[in-house]
Amino acid sequence: SAVISQKPSRDICQRGTSLTIQCQVDSQVTMMFWYRQQPGQSLTLIATANQGSEATYESGFVIDKFPISRPNLTFSTLTVSNMSPEDSSIYLCSVGTGSTNTGELFFGEGSRLTVL
Amino acid sequence: DAKTTQPPSMDCAEGRAANLPCNHSTISGNEYVYWYRQIHSQGPQYIIHGLKNNETNEMASLIITEDRKSSTLILPHATLRDTAVYYCIVRGGGSQGNLIFGKGTKLSVKP
Repeated sequence: SAVISQKPSRDICQRGTSLTIQCQVDSQVTMMFWYRQQPGQSLTLIATANQGSEATYESGFVIDKFPISRPNLTFSTLTVSNMSPEDSSIYLCSVGTGSTNTGELFFGEGSRLTVL
Repeated sequence: DAKTTQPPSMDCAEGRAANLPCNHSTISGNEYVYWYRQIHSQGPQYIIHGLKNNETNEMASLIITEDRKSSTLILPHATLRDTAVYYCIVRGGGSQGNLIFGKGTKLSVKP
């Protein structure tokens, strides 16, 4: 298993500002992902955080809006840029420790973002 | 990855078995069935996964039909703390390792 710490756990931000969310894992992991969960909705994958290279974004998500860093195998950041009220969501970091097909993913507790 | 279909909600009496169904009729041979749950205001929690055979761990049992087109997650003695949204996810070969979440089943365990 893996213990995942996300910071901040929650924040209230003003429209037009940017916020960086940190994800720290207690062990080296092969895969790291960022998800978004809008109010009352299921989770949607934003991107795969690749160590030492640019993140791989899902359809509908772009690097300019959600820049991601992953400098090593235990840490990643997600920035939500130029925020609007529509960005109010829970953002979750997820990590995989095993095989891509058989290994389960572990999730952080999420960062609850409210944009006014 | 194959799509899954789950009932939107279910109720279960405390102490009874909760049986959560999932249809995945388009599942392919190398795809696994995963179950996660999300308790309110927490991140999703891994429960169990399987390929062909039935699986059991300390949390639950997973029953997969012989044709693999459906499965059932069984919580043998549901407690109030099992109230959560349960997600059935199919993931397999060629994927990047991420999980595609559907809407899940909201299980309410009642006293």
